[in-house]
Amino acid sequence: EDQVTQSPEALRLQEGESSSLNCSYTVSGLRGLFWYRQDPGKGPEFLFTLYSAGEEKEKERLKATLTKKESFLHITAPKPEDSATYLCAVQKGFQKLVFGTGTRLLVSP
Amino acid sequence: DAGVTQSPTHLIKTRGQHVTLRCSPISGHKSVSWYQQVLGQGPQFIFQYYEKEERGRGNFPDRFSARQFPNYSSELNVNALLLGDSALYLCASSLEFTPGNTIYFGEGSWLTVV
Repeated sequence: EDQVTQSPEALRLQEGESSSLNCSYTVSGLRGLFWYRQDPGKGPEFLFTLYSAGEEKEKERLKATLTKKESFLHITAPKPEDSATYLCAVQKGFQKLVFGTGTRLLVSP
Repeated sequence: DAGVTQSPTHLIKTRGQHVTLRCSPISGHKSVSWYQQVLGQGPQFIFQYYEKEERGRGNFPDRFSARQFPNYSSELNVNALLLGDSALYLCASSLEFTPGNTIYFGEGSWLTVV
């Protein structure tokens, strides 16, 4: 059965304290791995898509990496505005996304 | 440019009633999909439509149905509402029905069933 597991469930950081979020997956026919940011009461905001093991993508303080079994979202020197839930999803078939339950990140000033 | 737009943003319905949620994809996007997000969980896939045809269906009962119109907008219908249908309903669009296309989400429609 396809599974996407994110850890930790919640993470509290001080401003400037770098860390990583993990997304491990077991899915057949992986077409891509997506990262989204979701603020409370809002829809997911697209961050990255990764397609093959070894691929890396960066955007401001965020960097996503992919291996054959997991993906990491590295947050360097986070700011309070980075506080959100980060969702990982794997793409099966043509378009369907299978999501994890997310990591709630809180960055304190 | 407008993103994915959904309406209504919030609504309250009574058990047993019917609801219709609407979605307009990003201009030029032909593929629309629907997801249900219960509080504290990740979104769950409900339907996908491309060129007005259903291309995928998740594990949801037949009370859930959808359609896509010639202008690529879409409706999600839910009949005989249950308390457990209370959730954020998300619409997503992408340019084409091909793997790897970026999938953009709207802000969602909050449905509360009482």
